[in-house]
Amino acid sequence: NAGVTQTPKFQVLKTGQSMTLQCAQDMNHNSMYWYRQDPGMGLRLIYYSASEGTTDKGEVPNGYNVSRLNKREFSLRLESAAPSQTSVYFCASSEEGRGSYYEQYFGPGTRLTVT
Amino acid sequence: AQSVAQPEDQVNVAEGNPLTVKCTYSVSGNPYLFWYVQYPNRGLQFLLKYITGDNLVKGSYGFEAEFNKSQTSFHLKKPSALVSDSALYFCAVREGGYSTLTFGKGTMLLVSP
Repeated sequence: NAGVTQTPKFQVLKTGQSMTLQCAQDMNHNSMYWYRQDPGMGLRLIYYSASEGTTDKGEVPNGYNVSRLNKREFSLRLESAAPSQTSVYFCASSEEGRGSYYEQYFGPGTRLTVT
Repeated sequence: AQSVAQPEDQVNVAEGNPLTVKCTYSVSGNPYLFWYVQYPNRGLQFLLKYITGDNLVKGSYGFEAEFNKSQTSFHLKKPSALVSDSALYFCAVREGGYSTLTFGKGTMLLVSP
């Protein structure tokens, strides 16, 4: 099992450009998540999908959109990148989302720089 | 609203000594508590969790954590630190029935030889 995979690993964008971060999991998990990690701020939830066909906003959704393409894949799109979106992005999955006690499994991350 | 605090940005310990990484939480109901570890340039890895039952929880790599309801704490411990334990540690909390996980800001653990 590959677990949670993310592409690309690194990306540099200019302000205003768009891009999509891809995430896939092979653990048959129902729930998937997108976080951003910034120094001294821990992980902050951007969007999540509790099950296939549903998505919900997290703590910091502004400037992002998501698509739960199928049970395996959950993509994050930046329509018009801004320097404030420079961060490391992590995708995660878990067996259940809402109120569950299941741990989350994380991908290796995408390091994004917006100039 | 739920929250979690890790009061130390960094913890330094010598190899072979016991280590403690502190975490306190705030929830309205019963907490589900988690510890994750992040090695450089890697994603987070699950270490252990407390859901219910025994207050002392054992996890991966010899780590354990003690749930203390009266002090609303969930400190991570290990009896004998290894240099390879050096990493960034995150505490996280979810209130039972609440949909998302809230992470602390992280504590960098540095174990010196």
